[in-house]
Amino acid sequence: NAGVTQTPKFRILKIGQSMTLQCAQDMNHNYMYWYRQDPGMGLKLIYYSVGAGITDKGEVPNGYNVSRSTTEDFPLRLELAAPSQTSVYFCASSAGGKPYEQYFGPGTRLTVT
Amino acid sequence: EDKVVQSPLSLVVHEGDTVTLNCSYEVTNFRSLLWYKQEKKAPTFLFMLTSSGIEKKSGRLSSILDKKELFSILNITATQTGDSAVYLCAVESSNYQLIWGAGTKLIIKP
Repeated sequence: NAGVTQTPKFRILKIGQSMTLQCAQDMNHNYMYWYRQDPGMGLKLIYYSVGAGITDKGEVPNGYNVSRSTTEDFPLRLELAAPSQTSVYFCASSAGGKPYEQYFGPGTRLTVT
Repeated sequence: EDKVVQSPLSLVVHEGDTVTLNCSYEVTNFRSLLWYKQEKKAPTFLFMLTSSGIEKKSGRLSSILDKKELFSILNITATQTGDSAVYLCAVESSNYQLIWGAGTKLIIKP
């Protein structure tokens, strides 16, 4: 199993550009999450999904959008990138009965200048 | 506002030492407290604690929860350089969300 995969690993965006961060998992997990991690800070939940077709906002959803058309994929869309979105983004997934045991992807380091 | 606070923020010890990492929390609708280890990239799950006073152990790592005083500790005995990492504490609330602390950066010197 590849686990949770994320692409790209690094990206530099100009202010106002848009992009999609890809996330896929092959563990048949129902729950998927997007976090951002700023230096010296804990993980902040952006959006999460409890199954295909179901998404919900986390703690810091502004400036982001998600979709969950399949169990495997959970892309994160950034519209009109701003410097405040410079961060490391992690995608994670967990099995339905164990939302606390999350499996993380390797992360995407995004810089907005 | 829900919050999870870890201390110390960073810690440098020598190989073979024992360390204690702290996590305190104020979270409504508490379900469980979790410890994760973050090496260079992604966090990996260590422990889940739900009941006070019951120690969870995995090799040289152990953890305990005090739900009355709202804190947990993570102990690492006979530390090794491979234990160098950021240790993250998180609390699971009732709506599937984890509230994360900022982490303790542990450096083990040979």
